[in-house]
Amino acid sequence: NAGVMQNPRHLVRRRGQEARLRCSPMKGHSHVYWYRQLPEEGLKFMVYLQKENIIDESGMPKERFSAEFPKEGPSILRIQQVVRGDSAAYFCASSPLPQQTSGGTYEQYFGPGTRLTVT
Amino acid sequence: AQKITQTQPGMFVQEKEAVTLDCTYDTSDQSYGLFWYKQPSSGEMIFLIYQGSYDEQNATEGRYSLNFQKARKSANLVISASQLGDSAMYFCAMRGFGASKIIFGSGTRLSIRP
Repeated sequence: NAGVMQNPRHLVRRRGQEARLRCSPMKGHSHVYWYRQLPEEGLKFMVYLQKENIIDESGMPKERFSAEFPKEGPSILRIQQVVRGDSAAYFCASSPLPQQTSGGTYEQYFGPGTRLTVT
Repeated sequence: AQKITQTQPGMFVQEKEAVTLDCTYDTSDQSYGLFWYKQPSSGEMIFLIYQGSYDEQNATEGRYSLNFQKARKSANLVISASQLGDSAMYFCAMRGFGASKIIFGSGTRLSIRP
């Protein structure tokens, strides 16, 4: 019963290079969320995707960042022309088809994160 | 807008003592969920406990309980009989009705002294 998988766990890039972060959701989950955690801060929502659809990208920076969740394969968070300020931990979470539980909301299951260091 | 406030950046507690981590929230939604996550030094996010806004009883999971006071908009985490392995960052979080994203607080770093 594999959980959410992310790779690589650690990624080092030089300024100006591209970073590609991968996330495989839990089996049976069709919803993926990406969060960013800057050092000594809480997680900040970036984007919410379903298969082949971006549902909410309100937390994504307007430039250099993109995300996809293709019909086959993992979700990809892509950062072009990385800068030092992109150094952070990037977490992926997944959930099943969202259905309201009684009086509450559903849980998201987090992956182990990818630590991106830009040198 | 939704907001989570954790006012304790760091706490030191003696092993085996109980500890309360504070969390207040702000939302205009009538239905929402509150979460606590633990992040040890290894970095992963570990789900601890969930409280729905319409749940009448406080949530409990083993040594963790959530002291939910809806009128005061607080959702404090109580850890009973603390252990050395409880040393970690703890994040309070919430999600509103039908919302996709979880809003996190800034976290509390808990250190357990032997």
